[in-house]
Amino acid sequence: GQNIDQPTEMTATEGAIVQINCTYQTSGFNGLFWYQQHAGEAPTFLSYNVLDGLEEKGRFSSFLSRSKGYSYLLLKELQMKDSASYLCAADQTGANNLFFGTGTRLTVIP
Amino acid sequence: DTAVSQTPKYLVTQMGNDKSIKCEQNLGHDTMYWYKQDSKKFLKIMFSYNNKELIINETVPNRFSPKSPDKAHLNLHINSLELGDSAVYFCASSQPTGGYGYTFGSGTRLTVV
Repeated sequence: GQNIDQPTEMTATEGAIVQINCTYQTSGFNGLFWYQQHAGEAPTFLSYNVLDGLEEKGRFSSFLSRSKGYSYLLLKELQMKDSASYLCAADQTGANNLFFGTGTRLTVIP
Repeated sequence: DTAVSQTPKYLVTQMGNDKSIKCEQNLGHDTMYWYKQDSKKFLKIMFSYNNKELIINETVPNRFSPKSPDKAHLNLHINSLELGDSAVYFCASSQPTGGYGYTFGSGTRLTVV
């Protein structure tokens, strides 16, 4: 079967660092995507991890451990505009589509 | 220029009606998709098309039918709408191999009354 777990909601303070975790189980696995979705808008691409390790992109970093079926998205220097849902999605071998988790709604407070 | 555009953005209709949602992409991508996002914000794949060929079809009622006149368009037609069809429908496109991510349209919020 396939399953993706991530926390439903998180709250963090402006200027702080927050880590959003994601665990996945899929029948085949190519890589792991993170998307950001503001309320009422389309998901937008943040990152894609294929190999184990940390990939940094400005204030956002994403980590993958294939052996553990685990990923996280790290957001630094939080800004109010980072309040959004963050979706973890598995790129499955042979499936030609992304399997999404339910998303983590992040609220950044002053 | 909008990369993936879908219309309409909002659609309110009565039960039993038939409606269509249109989607167009100008990215030159080979694959297009329809996703449904329910009230719990869960994005679930409905269909994907690669070069005008349906390559997946999840457990979606046959009241839903995708139509792709060409590589740049994938429209979604829904017959006999039901209350449970109320959701946000997203069109997306990508290249067929992984790593490039999806580009999503802005979504169509369908409300069935």
